[in-house]
Amino acid sequence: ILNVEQSPQSLHVQEGDSTNFTCSFPSSNFYALHWYRWETAKSPEALFVMTLNGDEKKKGRISATLNTKEGYSYLYIKGSQPEDSATYLCAILDMGRRALTFGSGTRLQVQP
Amino acid sequence: NAGVTQTPKFQVLKTGQSMTLQCAQDMNHEYMSWYRQDPGMGLRLIHYSVGAGITDQGEVPNGYNVSRSTTEDFPLRLLSAAPSQTSVYFCASRLTGSGSYEQYFGPGTRLTVT
Repeated sequence: ILNVEQSPQSLHVQEGDSTNFTCSFPSSNFYALHWYRWETAKSPEALFVMTLNGDEKKKGRISATLNTKEGYSYLYIKGSQPEDSATYLCAILDMGRRALTFGSGTRLQVQP
Repeated sequence: NAGVTQTPKFQVLKTGQSMTLQCAQDMNHEYMSWYRQDPGMGLRLIHYSVGAGITDQGEVPNGYNVSRSTTEDFPLRLLSAAPSQTSVYFCASRLTGSGSYEQYFGPGTRLTVT
C-alpha cells in the first residue's frame, strides 16, 4: 500500500491568514499528484493535477508546488476566507497501479 | 452531462443482507473506482476498473464484489453486510492515459449496517 501522509491533520486560522499544508509520498514510481477540496456533505472536487518535478499551479488564492525528487507537495492558501473551510486531500498515482491512493486529509477551518 | 451518479443516497441494511450500490458515468471514462470514507481514515480504495471487463482489488476489497460489463456502469455488491461496512461510499471516474486527468466523484451513498 502506498503511504501518502498529510500534515497537519487539522488547522484553525482567522480570516485573512495565509496557510499551507504538506503532502508527503514515496518518490519512487511517482506518476502524478492530485489535490482535492472536500466540503462537508459534498463530493471531493479536483483542484490540481501535477506531474512534473518543480510544477507550480495556481487557482485564484490557492496554489500548489511539487517536488518529486524528495516526495512532497505544498498547498498554499493566501488570505483565507470562511468559504475555504473544507478538507484538502492529496492523492498519488504511481507507475505500477493505475489507482489513486489518498492521504487522510487536512481539515481547515477559517474563522470569520 | 450528469457526471457520476450513485444510487441510493442512503441505505440501512441488517447484518447478513446483500445489496448492490449503483454507479454510472456518462463521460466515457475508462477508469472507475469505489472508495469508502471512514472518520479519520480518508478515502480507501475498495476496487477499481481500467475498462469494461477489467477489474482489480484496492486496499480494502474483502466483503465486496464488482463487475464492469459496460464502460458506463460499475456496481459494487455487498455479499453479506457486516456492521464494519457502515460507511460512506464514493464512486469515481476519470480518463486514463497520461495520468494527468482529474478524477470526478459521485455524490456518495451513506450505508448503515445494523
